[in-house]
Amino acid sequence: QQQVKQSPQSLIVQKGGISIINCAYENTAFDYFPWYQQFPGKGPALLIAIRPDVSEKKEGRFTISFNKSAKQFSLHIMDSQPGDSATYFCAAGWGTYKYIFGTGTRLKVLA
Amino acid sequence: GAVVSQHPSWVICKSGTSVKIECRSLDFQATTMFWYRQFPKQSLMLMATSNEGSKATYEQGVEKDKFLINHASLTLSTLTVTSAHPEDSSFYICSAHGGLGRTDTQYFGPGTRLTVL
Repeated sequence: QQQVKQSPQSLIVQKGGISIINCAYENTAFDYFPWYQQFPGKGPALLIAIRPDVSEKKEGRFTISFNKSAKQFSLHIMDSQPGDSATYFCAAGWGTYKYIFGTGTRLKVLA
Repeated sequence: GAVVSQHPSWVICKSGTSVKIECRSLDFQATTMFWYRQFPKQSLMLMATSNEGSKATYEQGVEKDKFLINHASLTLSTLTVTSAHPEDSSFYICSAHGGLGRTDTQYFGPGTRLTVL
């Protein structure tokens, strides 16, 4: 019940294309859903986050879509660039501020 | 804003020695800090939650006597890996939570690569 399932494990996208990464959760106590980007040998960096009372949030090329009834949320990267090549983690958090992380998606954007 | 630093960025030590890793929130006060461990190509596994001035809360399966955590101030938490062994080799990452306006977000440090010979 504490798991966050993330897919796909890896993703290859052409430059300019849309990258879509999906996450699903079971515990309805989760109330905060951030996405992090991690480059090799670096710590994760916050990209964008959403709360369950909002169905979509957009920041630049990054959009989170949230489906509360399905307990799913996804990250869309528009106009994907080679510099976006990294590992992306979704997470779910709740009142204690702890996060449960997804398993990660390795994105490669081809030039 | 919301910068978290870690020191050292990498460390190599001999088996049986202890290693201390520092995590600092540079521009905000962190009421809570978290320590994670990450193996290559894997996700982040939470080791413990550290609140300033109180004992850390360890996740199931994490040896509290091996991974000593101290959160002495609102800007500093330390993780000491005691009597390190090769299987402790990993990427250790801290995160900090708290500060005005940052009610839910964890900000991560750059990580520390530990190699135990």
